[in-house]
Amino acid sequence: EDQVTQSPEALRLQEGESSSLNCSYTVSGLRGLFWYRQDPGKGPEFLFTLYSAGEEKEKERLKATLTKKESFLHITAPKPEDSATYLCAVQGNSNYQLIWGAGTKLIIKP
Amino acid sequence: EAQVTQNPRYLITVTGKKLTVTCSQNMNHEYMSWYRQDPGLGLRQIYYSMNVEVTDKGDVPEGYKVSRKEKRNFPLILESPSPNQTSLYFCASSPGAGREGYEQYFGPGTRLTVT
Repeated sequence: EDQVTQSPEALRLQEGESSSLNCSYTVSGLRGLFWYRQDPGKGPEFLFTLYSAGEEKEKERLKATLTKKESFLHITAPKPEDSATYLCAVQGNSNYQLIWGAGTKLIIKP
Repeated sequence: EAQVTQNPRYLITVTGKKLTVTCSQNMNHEYMSWYRQDPGLGLRQIYYSMNVEVTDKGDVPEGYKVSRKEKRNFPLILESPSPNQTSLYFCASSPGAGREGYEQYFGPGTRLTVT
């Protein structure tokens, strides 16, 4: 069964304190792994797609990496405005639906 | 501006009163989808549409209908809303083909309360 697990559920950091969020997945043939950012009460905002193990993508203070079993979202020197829930989703080769993780709520304290 | 729009953004209604939430995208996307998001349950797909000819159930379709008569619009219909359909609803679209085909772009959300 296709599955996505995100950890931790919540993460509190001080401004400038770098850390990583984890997305572990089980899927029959990975078509793509997606990272989104969601602010409270708003729609998820697309960040990255990763397609194959070893791939990395960066955007400002965020860097996403992918292995055959998991993806990490590294946050370098975060700022309070990086506070949000970060969602991970995967798409397998067997269907078009995305399988979503429950998200990691990130709080950056000034 | 490329976007997905939803209306209404907020809706309070009573049990059994039929309602429609509209969704429109201006990106010429083939794929459209509806999700609901509830605390502790994450995003759950209600229905999706590969193109104007193909629509299929997601994980939680009971109590909902959809219609895809034209590419840009994908309304969500609640024929007889019940309190357990109180939720935050999102419409999303994606190109549906090519390498970036399933990068979904979300609307702003519709917060529905059924009393």
